[in-house]
Amino acid sequence: EVQLQQSGAELGKPGTSVKLSCKVSGYNIRNTYMHWVNQRPGKGLEWIGRIDPANGNTIYAEKFKSKATLTADTSSNTAYMQLSQLKSDDTAIYFCALHNVMDAWGQGASVTVSS
Amino acid sequence: DIVMTQGALPNPVPSGESASITCQSSKSLLHSNGKTYLNWYLQRPGQSPQLLIYWMSTRASGVSDRFSGSGSGTDFTLKISSVEAEDVGVYYCQQFLEYPRTFGGGTKLELK
Repeated sequence: EVQLQQSGAELGKPGTSVKLSCKVSGYNIRNTYMHWVNQRPGKGLEWIGRIDPANGNTIYAEKFKSKATLTADTSSNTAYMQLSQLKSDDTAIYFCALHNVMDAWGQGASVTVSS
Repeated sequence: DIVMTQGALPNPVPSGESASITCQSSKSLLHSNGKTYLNWYLQRPGQSPQLLIYWMSTRASGVSDRFSGSGSGTDFTLKISSVEAEDVGVYYCQQFLEYPRTFGGGTKLELK
């Protein structure tokens, strides 16, 4: 069974950065894509970007190009997303999701931005 | 970007009745390979989204056959036959034909 285990809740001050992790078990991430999606409080799903862990190639939604940085460590089968220059509207739950059809999701990681 | 627009449900839906959720894309999701690049997800309250349907009409592993997907290149329907309590949540359509991937705004299903 494929499982995605995300890191815990983060509280960040405006202007700082946070780095979220998504550790995969039951599947080699070299063989697929990892997507990241967010959900602001009470809102819908928003695609942030995806990484090909085999070569590090990334694609981002335009609005996240200077906000999110996706990386992956194939030796630990873990994907990462760093969010920089945090603002209050970055407060959201962030999900990682595996494969082109996103058929396996992490449990979500809450990021709260507050001074 | 491809815009995905979802319709609303006449909530609440009586238990045991069927429900149909519509989704429309601003561009055809039908690829030249014959596949339609449309997914459906369910997000139950407090949970992560769960894939229900991919390629417009293929049920994901373990998904009840009460769920079925259909449509054309730009107009899609998710049908839930005999709605049950476990079906409550928000349903999202999503296109994976192009980047950026885009989701519909979500359709909430409440049970009567």
